[in-house]
Amino acid sequence: GQNIDQPTEMTATEGAIVQINCTYQTSGFNGLFWYQQHAGEAPTFLSYNVLDGLEEKGRFSSFLSRSKGYSYLLLKELQMKDSASYLCAVSDSNYQLIWGAGTKLIIKP
Amino acid sequence: GAVVSQHPSWVICKSGTSVKIECRSLDFQATTMFWYRQFPKQSLMLMATSNEGSKATYEQGVEKDKFLINHASLTLSTLTVTSAHPEDSSFYICSASTPLAGDYNEQFFGPGTRLTVL
Repeated sequence: GQNIDQPTEMTATEGAIVQINCTYQTSGFNGLFWYQQHAGEAPTFLSYNVLDGLEEKGRFSSFLSRSKGYSYLLLKELQMKDSASYLCAVSDSNYQLIWGAGTKLIIKP
Repeated sequence: GAVVSQHPSWVICKSGTSVKIECRSLDFQATTMFWYRQFPKQSLMLMATSNEGSKATYEQGVEKDKFLINHASLTLSTLTVTSAHPEDSSFYICSASTPLAGDYNEQFFGPGTRLTVL
């Protein structure tokens, strides 16, 4: 079966760095997405990785290792507004998104 | 660009009534639209995938006669929850997809519709 695993909840301090991991097992691979979702709102796109390596976009970076079925989202200089759920999703062989359950990130002052 | 709207943003209805939710891509033509349901503290659950002018493809366990999807044009899809019951209360989110440069089909999400069935 297809499976996406990510931690349920993480806590970090304002100004710090946090890494959210995601491992996957899917039938085919056409890229991995990270989305941010604030409570009661729809997800918003953060990043897309299809090749191995690190993609940096401002305070957010995303890493992919296809051989390990592993990705992480790195958030630097954390701000209170970064408190949200972070969803990992993999595009399978049919370009259908397989979603992880999301990681709730709590930022403390 | 790539804005998706949903209407209504929230709705409260009585058990047994039907509710229609609209999803529109405002500034692009969506080849495919997706309907998701999300229960509190859970991830998105794909309900169905629809392409303009063809029947929707429903995920296993989703009743197609209860959740009617009409994809009338490249910018509009509707989800009708027929004979709604309290267990249908959820956050319904649509997304629209279009091929982008880089050969991946990013999904652009609407703001969601919160349905409460009394």
